[in-house]
Amino acid sequence: EVQLVESGGGLVKPGGSLRLSCAASGFTFSSYSMNWVRQAPGKGLEWVSSISSSGDYIFYADSLKGRFTISRDNAKNSLFLQMSSLRAEDTAVYYCARDPGRYGDPYDYWGQGILVTVSS
Amino acid sequence: SYELTQPPSVSVSPGQTASITCSGDNLGNKYPSWYQQRPGQSPVLVIYQENKRPSGIPERFSGSNSGNTATLIISGTQAMDEADYYCQAWDSSTVVFGGGTKLTVL
Repeated sequence: EVQLVESGGGLVKPGGSLRLSCAASGFTFSSYSMNWVRQAPGKGLEWVSSISSSGDYIFYADSLKGRFTISRDNAKNSLFLQMSSLRAEDTAVYYCARDPGRYGDPYDYWGQGILVTVSS
Repeated sequence: SYELTQPPSVSVSPGQTASITCSGDNLGNKYPSWYQQRPGQSPVLVIYQENKRPSGIPERFSGSNSGNTATLIISGTQAMDEADYYCQAWDSSTVVFGGGTKLTVL
């Protein structure tokens, strides 16, 4: 059974940093591209970042302006999102999701999400 | 930047057909997918690459595309289909989501 479990969320002050993790199981992690998608309270889905199966190709939403860094450890079946200079508008549930890696492939499995709250 | 436009809400009577549209420039060439999100739950893929259904998704879910508009069609809508629905497309190396449509089954 495919499982994606996010962790590392919580309350952080504006300007602070946080590192999210996503533990994968039930599939060959190193064969899939991985992604982060967020959802602000009461709002829609927003794509954050993607990383290819090998980690060689990385993409970010323009709105992040270099504050977030995606990475992965295929030996540990884990995906990460390092977030810095956090703002109130980064408050959201963050989901990790996988895709097979070909252009146009959908996000076929999602984690349960982890809440990040940025507030003083 | 690329944008996808969905109606904020759609209402349907039980047993009837619901249609949810998603519009974007040249959307037909951007592999549109659809996700269902029930309250408090993670999104679930229901349609991908215009009209393919993942295993486990009921046959009443289908998709169509006509150039700049993709449509999610739910035939014989059931109360359990009441949820938010999001379209998604690829634009170059990025992914874009529509604003979401709340489907109400009255």
